[in-house]
Amino acid sequence: SQTIHQWPATLVQPVGSPLSLECTVEGTSNPNLYWYRQAAGRGLQLLFYSVGIGQISSEVPQNLSASRPQDRQFILSSKKLLLSDSGFYLCAWSEGLVSYNEQFFGPGTRLTVL
Amino acid sequence: TQLLEQSPQFLSIQEGENLTVYCNSSSVFSSLQWYRQEPGEGPVLLVTVVTGGEVKKLKRLTFQFGDARKDSSLHITAAQPGDTGLYLCAGGPKAGGTSYGKLTFGQGTILTVHP
Repeated sequence: SQTIHQWPATLVQPVGSPLSLECTVEGTSNPNLYWYRQAAGRGLQLLFYSVGIGQISSEVPQNLSASRPQDRQFILSSKKLLLSDSGFYLCAWSEGLVSYNEQFFGPGTRLTVL
Repeated sequence: TQLLEQSPQFLSIQEGENLTVYCNSSSVFSSLQWYRQEPGEGPVLLVTVVTGGEVKKLKRLTFQFGDARKDSSLHITAAQPGDTGLYLCAGGPKAGGTSYGKLTFGQGTILTVHP
């Protein structure tokens, strides 16, 4: 069966510090991968998506970047965090390219920038 | 840019009551998914509807996709405290393009069911 992991689960970082969040998927090959950010109790904002190794598409201009160094590994990074980067970050995967394929979400990372 | 408007944003009811959550857009979607999320966890898919006018039932939950595929509703009968959570609708873009599985999420409805 497929599983998706995210770490760390929680993170408190000072403004201006770097960031690296990792997401890995097990039990599937060539998944589509997504990074979302969620404000408290609200909807999900798509940040990045990837359809293959080294292929990253950015949805909104921001202080963040993403990389996919391996087929089932997706990394979210920042060189200098801003207060506005605080939030709940979710990684997700899906199979295929059709929009009605279910997206499977990881447990999320709670990031607080102070 | 496709947008999905969910209403109401907050819903607080007593156990046993019925409720309906709405998801509306001016855009046509190829599919509509409903997710449920508990605090500190990732969303979990409840249902996917892909045909205009489609109705799906999942125990006490009834999901409907509008005929024009621009709107959807989630109806819960005899709500229970275990139904408490954040409900999210998500639409897939209109068919014809390369969607890459991208979804547009509504802002969510926070449901609290009191015992």
